[in-house]
Amino acid sequence: DSGVTQTPKHLITATGQRVTLRCSPRSGDLSVYWYQQSLDQGLQFLIQYYNGEERAKGNILERFSAQQFPDLHSELNLSSLELGDSALYFCASSVVDNNSPLHFGNGTRLTVT
Amino acid sequence: TQLLEQSPQFLSIQEGENLTVYCNSSSVFSSLQWYRQEPGEGPVLLVTVVTGGEVKKLKRLTFQFGDARKDSSLHITAAQPGDTGLYLCAGRTGGGNKLTFGTGTQLKVEL
Repeated sequence: DSGVTQTPKHLITATGQRVTLRCSPRSGDLSVYWYQQSLDQGLQFLIQYYNGEERAKGNILERFSAQQFPDLHSELNLSSLELGDSALYFCASSVVDNNSPLHFGNGTRLTVT
Repeated sequence: TQLLEQSPQFLSIQEGENLTVYCNSSSVFSSLQWYRQEPGEGPVLLVTVVTGGEVKKLKRLTFQFGDARKDSSLHITAAQPGDTGLYLCAGRTGGGNKLTFGTGTQLKVEL
């Protein structure tokens, strides 16, 4: 058990809809990362937050947004969903922002129909 | 753009065989990590290598970082069914903690 909790585990929704994925980091970890894993693209970095502030941005679509709250949990919002957004979405956390190991949750599997 | 290419993509071997997985890039990384991911779970960190030429061993697994810090290899000796999983390399460039993941190697070890 990595200590990172992601909810829900599975999500099935229709195109055009909006969903929110939630992540609770390991106790004491200040940094949260979101990754998308699909069969054709592998594990792609989306965005990182550190102590509530955005720290780094990857290949995150404009339809996607995220935030980290004062209690350090994070949410990833996906809107105007398309079939191609179907993927596993992973959250990871680390103690600090530099050279510390990432601990991954078990992911949320999103299926867009 | 995928900066880290892994080979092979898929590997199916018998228990007791040895294997090597490669992770190659044209970029220089400040550090490189290897993860293993099992179905329904997130990646789990196996090792971090930082210095060019560094070799680390974890039981039957040997990890090496290339001298130029652009590539890495993972060698498994006497593979066991429990080694089955998706192996991912991941590199850091510059400062910060953002990781770029490789394309992955799916390993299946059969009895």
